[in-house]
Amino acid sequence: QITLKESGPTLLRPTQTLTLTCTFSGFSLTSDGEGVAWIRQPPGKALEWLALIYWDNDMRYSPSLKTRVSVTKDTSRKEVVLILTNMGPLDTATYYCAQYDVWTGSLDSWGPGALVTVSP
Amino acid sequence: QSVLTQPPSVSAAPGQRVTISCSGSSFNIEKYDVAWYQQLPGKAPKLLIYDNIRRPSGVPDRFSASKSGTSATLGISGLQTGDEADYYCGAWDSSLNAGVFGGGTKLTVL
Repeated sequence: QITLKESGPTLLRPTQTLTLTCTFSGFSLTSDGEGVAWIRQPPGKALEWLALIYWDNDMRYSPSLKTRVSVTKDTSRKEVVLILTNMGPLDTATYYCAQYDVWTGSLDSWGPGALVTVSP
Repeated sequence: QSVLTQPPSVSAAPGQRVTISCSGSSFNIEKYDVAWYQQLPGKAPKLLIYDNIRRPSGVPDRFSASKSGTSATLGISGLQTGDEADYYCGAWDSSLNAGVFGGGTKLTVL
């Protein structure tokens, strides 16, 4: 059974840096075709794709956030970490991590999400 | 403004069939596989369709999908009140070198 869970701060002040951890189980993130993606959803709004890290440590980022976002993995701890710098109120959202299948391009399993609020 | 275009809402009566469209371009839908996600109220999204037409195990065959050119369509037949949710299409985009989603479609079962 594949599970993912996001953890991190729930409240940040403007200009602070968000560090979110995705802890996963049921897959290794070391096998060909595996990846973990980050997606966010502002309250009442649509999903927004943020970042992706592949099994071979290749990474892809949303062009609109490319200067602020980074992602790393620690497969021994089964963790993927999202870092988003210079947070502002528009970054208030539920942040999800999801297992990505390179061969189908689909997000096969999702974590429950973590709501992050940015407020002065 | 989402890269993929979906209608904001659709509605139909229980037992009826509804379709949700997803329009893209040669950089995304035409070139790559499309996936569909169902997001029940207050829940995380769940994979509904992958590889344009395939259903993960456990997804009822009332859910179907197709793709043609730069557009994809999700169909839901035998509508149930439990199908009320937001539905999103997603694909890779080669011009952005990133994943993209549609703006989501809210399904109301009247």
